[in-house]
Amino acid sequence: KAGVTQTPRYLIKTRGQQVTLSCSPISGHRSVSWYQQTPGQGLQFLFEYFSETQRNKGNFPGRFSGRQFSNSRSEMNVSTLELGDSALYLCASSLNSYNEQFFGPGTRLTVL
Amino acid sequence: TQLLEQSPQFLSIQEGENLTVYCNSSSVFSSLQWYRQEPGEGPVLLVTVVTGGEVKKLKRLTFQFGDARKDSSLHITAAQPGDTGLYLCRGSRLTFGEGTQLTVNP
Repeated sequence: KAGVTQTPRYLIKTRGQQVTLSCSPISGHRSVSWYQQTPGQGLQFLFEYFSETQRNKGNFPGRFSGRQFSNSRSEMNVSTLELGDSALYLCASSLNSYNEQFFGPGTRLTVL
Repeated sequence: TQLLEQSPQFLSIQEGENLTVYCNSSSVFSSLQWYRQEPGEGPVLLVTVVTGGEVKKLKRLTFQFGDARKDSSLHITAAQPGDTGLYLCRGSRLTFGEGTQLTVNP
């Protein structure tokens, strides 16, 4: 069974730009969660989608948004990028958010 | 949101030593998970504990869930360089601890 894939793996943007990250979950998984990981801050929960609906949301500004498609693939968008948005963005899929989460390798975003 | 505190934040030891890392909260959890993350990869589940007082062993790793289901520990016996990584606990659907960065030196 193929694992969780994330594209792109690396991204360099400048302040003020926007970015879209993509996540393809494991086949059959309907829950997709997004996390931001920075040194010293651990994994910060962004949001969770289940069957195309945002089910939970973390404490991030509205510049961070996401969506999920009917095939469970998910995208995350960050608008008006700030230097502090530089981080590893991880996507995780699961049958349900209570179950084991399977993580992708992440997208490393650098904002200059 | 259930807050999880992990300690120590950083741990550097020699191969063959034993160590224990902790995950604590003021909240009660129905279950708790431990993950390990290696450089360049996403976290991978090691174990899920669900019963207060539960002890689970995974080769040289021993996981314990507190009786009150508010805390957990991970003990590694005779650590090896391959144990190097970031150890994260997850106590709810949404919350991860900040992690313990373990380095085992050969």
